[in-house]
Amino acid sequence: GQQLNQSPQSMFIQEGEDVSMNCTSSSIFNTWLWYKQEPGEGPVLLIALYKAGELTSNGRLTAQFGITRKDSFLNISASIPSDVGIYFCAGNNNAGNMLTFGGGTRLMVKP
Amino acid sequence: EAQVTQNPRYLITVTGKKLTVTCSQNMNHEYMSWYRQDPGLGLRQIYYSMNVEVTDKGDVPEGYKVSRKEKRNFPLILESPSPNQTSLYFCASSFQPTLAGKGNEQFFGPGTRLTVL
Repeated sequence: GQQLNQSPQSMFIQEGEDVSMNCTSSSIFNTWLWYKQEPGEGPVLLIALYKAGELTSNGRLTAQFGITRKDSFLNISASIPSDVGIYFCAGNNNAGNMLTFGGGTRLMVKP
Repeated sequence: EAQVTQNPRYLITVTGKKLTVTCSQNMNHEYMSWYRQDPGLGLRQIYYSMNVEVTDKGDVPEGYKVSRKEKRNFPLILESPSPNQTSLYFCASSFQPTLAGKGNEQFFGPGTRLTVL
């Protein structure tokens, strides 16, 4: 199955910095989702996007559904140590409700 | 509390010994799914179920079976486990997506770490 191209693979930043990560696909998706996974836990949904061009915020997190429906980005503003984890994008084209996941972005925040 | 639960959380077994990993959700979700997570390969779907008695293969179904006899439960069965099935497994559930795409938000369980020797 297809995997989304997610970048960067990892980031090591200073507390207070802004973070940006993105996902691209060769196929169109109808839904983009962003998840965060912490060690020993399952992915937790952060933001869901349903329409091309949609920009949605959840606290310090902002995500956008690309206008071509083939990409999405996630921004985290003013990062804090508890932002540490692996962030995954996932796309859904409603084919059996199957989610296709990106490879993840490992975020490390230095206090 | 709305949640997806999995048991066991950790399991070490030997090649060929049948095992079942249980998954249960209390959100009345129609859709349930199993994923495996491996380093460098991300999350890959094994099987999914759109509703009771309806199951279908995902990207990597070989060596696995599932059943959906009740809405809340979706067990993953490994009839004859092999070392290449050593992985971290996640169950997920959601409502059925609408035409507008709502309901695609899948909620994940805490994971089951399986080691096959």
